[in-house]
Amino acid sequence: LAKTTQPISMDSYEGQEVNITCSHNNIATNDYITWYQQFPSQGPRFIIQGYKTKVTNEVASLFIPADRKSSTLSLPRVSLSDTAVYYCLVGALDNKLIFGAGTRLAVHP
Amino acid sequence: EAQVTQNPRYLITVTGKKLTVTCSQNMNHEYMSWYRQDPGLGLRQIYYSMNVEVTDKGDVPEGYKVSRKEKRNFPLILESPSPNQTSLYFCASSLVLPRSSYNEQFFGPGTRLTVL
Repeated sequence: LAKTTQPISMDSYEGQEVNITCSHNNIATNDYITWYQQFPSQGPRFIIQGYKTKVTNEVASLFIPADRKSSTLSLPRVSLSDTAVYYCLVGALDNKLIFGAGTRLAVHP
Repeated sequence: EAQVTQNPRYLITVTGKKLTVTCSQNMNHEYMSWYRQDPGLGLRQIYYSMNVEVTDKGDVPEGYKVSRKEKRNFPLILESPSPNQTSLYFCASSLVLPRSSYNEQFFGPGTRLTVL
């Protein structure tokens, strides 16, 4: 299971693009990279998943370099409602899922 | 509406009084799991189930039991709750196993448990 490292917290302002990078040096060949968003007292919500290169959906983009040892979640033009904790998950140990500490994003007016 | 439901949402109980938190999903998902979330410790997996009658321990299974008699239900049982089990609990499900591709986990709304 690849250990992940993310910044503990980040600050941004409304309308800015936010990039959150996750390091996963020991990622396995068949591991996927998944990001979740969690608001206070709510369950995490799936944002995006990818294996390599770039993935984009209606809420975010995920950039994965060729060596796959890191990944970057990009949130375009954030708003106050994007204030949340963001988790990067890589692979699974057997069939267990392990969430790291996540990145606490604060968006300011 | 596709969803994971948990009951109760809030529960205050006393040490030693057995309790069950129910979890149900209506998406015909194979994989279900329980997590607890504590300040500073993030989300930790308690138990998971890969299918009916197949359950296994997560990272923090002590003091908990689960069962999977039907595909849609995955109750969490605390036989003798203690104050250190005061926490926010989440149930989750996914269509496929976590090692598979596109293994989106759907989480329930959470159950806040206080054990006095």
